[in-house]
Amino acid sequence: NAGVTQTPKFRVLKTGQSMTLLCAQDMNHEYMYWYRQDPGMGLRLIHYSVGEGTTAKGEVPDGYNVSRLKKQNFLLGLESAAPSQTSVYFCASSSGQGFSGELFFGEGSRLTVL
Amino acid sequence: AQKITQTQPGMFVQEKEAVTLDCTYDTSDQSYGLFWYKQPSSGEMIFLIYQGSYDEQNATEGRYSLNFQKARKSANLVISASQLGDSAMYFCAMRRRDDKIIFGKGTRLHILP
Repeated sequence: NAGVTQTPKFRVLKTGQSMTLLCAQDMNHEYMYWYRQDPGMGLRLIHYSVGEGTTAKGEVPDGYNVSRLKKQNFLLGLESAAPSQTSVYFCASSSGQGFSGELFFGEGSRLTVL
Repeated sequence: AQKITQTQPGMFVQEKEAVTLDCTYDTSDQSYGLFWYKQPSSGEMIFLIYQGSYDEQNATEGRYSLNFQKARKSANLVISASQLGDSAMYFCAMRRRDDKIIFGKGTRLHILP
């Protein structure tokens, strides 16, 4: 049972480098989300998608881009990484059955920007 | 702005006691969903319980119950008979009509033996 898989799990970047985090889910969920978790800040929504080909901004979208070309994949890109983007990133998916579909989370990706 | 507030950054509770974790939310939506998640020190996120805004009964899942007071916009999590394994971060979350799902800052619960 794969569920939600994030790659890579760990990454160290230098300021200004770019990278892409991949989230893949095998539950045929319509809704996918990217969060970042920082100490004392809880989980903050970066971007989300309500279906293949759609994306929408969350609470902290600046410096990130996303794409959902296939239903099962949701990519998070950092075009020019900054130290402020050092964080743990979580991807999650939901069936979106009304309001009750709970989030299924990946294991997280720890990103360090030097 | 619609948001979730968890006013207890940390709590210490004796094993086997009941504990209430506070959550208040701010929304102008009439329809929404409320969730609680647990994050142990290992880092994974675990879904605990759900409450819909139109549900008349408080949700329960085993030792977890959600004390939902719609007029006060509160959705407190109650854990009965706490166990050592309940030590973790707990997050309250809300699903909005625009399908955004936002989280509070969390409460770190410590269960004392």
